[in-house]
Amino acid sequence: DVKVTQSSRYLVKRTGEKVFLECVQDMDHENMFWYRQDPGLGLRLIYFSYDVKMKEKGDIPEGYSVSREKKERFSLILESASTNQTSMYLCASRAGRVTQYFGPGTRLTVL
Amino acid sequence: DQQVKQNSPSLSVQEGRISILNCDYTNSMFDYFLWYKKYPAEGPTFLISISSIKDKNEDGRFTVFLNKSAKHLSLHIVPSQPGDSAVYFCAASAGGYSTLTFGKGTMLLVSP
Repeated sequence: DVKVTQSSRYLVKRTGEKVFLECVQDMDHENMFWYRQDPGLGLRLIYFSYDVKMKEKGDIPEGYSVSREKKERFSLILESASTNQTSMYLCASRAGRVTQYFGPGTRLTVL
Repeated sequence: DQQVKQNSPSLSVQEGRISILNCDYTNSMFDYFLWYKKYPAEGPTFLISISSIKDKNEDGRFTVFLNKSAKHLSLHIVPSQPGDSAVYFCAASAGGYSTLTFGKGTMLLVSP
């Protein structure tokens, strides 16, 4: 069974704070992804990584950065959190060519 | 430009009946399609997929149909159960190892 875990289920931060969201997968997958999900907008890709130290921008990278120092861990960083970054953040890991498996999500609220 | 469209934001079905969720796409390069199910406050769960070389794939109560000429796919759930109540996302991939493009989701409510 693929297991993707995220560091927090719920997080409340203040505007301007630096926020770290961590994701760990235990299946030795090379590819990992960060999405945000907002009502009526579906899942939107923020950043992804094909391998350690590699990162690629997704559809909405502005205001975010990522770090992948180890194969199993992919971190999403909000350098200076803003209220419009209040969202559900979802991490995924890819097995094979296509299918992605998701973690439980982090509900982030920025006040 | 929305390349994967789920035009019904919600669908209500009675327990035991068939649920049909629809998805349309515009990018003819898409060659693999997936359906995910998502409960509130949880991550999406992979449900079923289909390659463009097929027109049907079945897994228990779930069947996905693909009509390439119409650029349309549908997910059939038979029989529907209250536990199927969730948001369903359609996703598409243009070639192996590429990213997924998701639709906006359809909320399915199955009532007893």
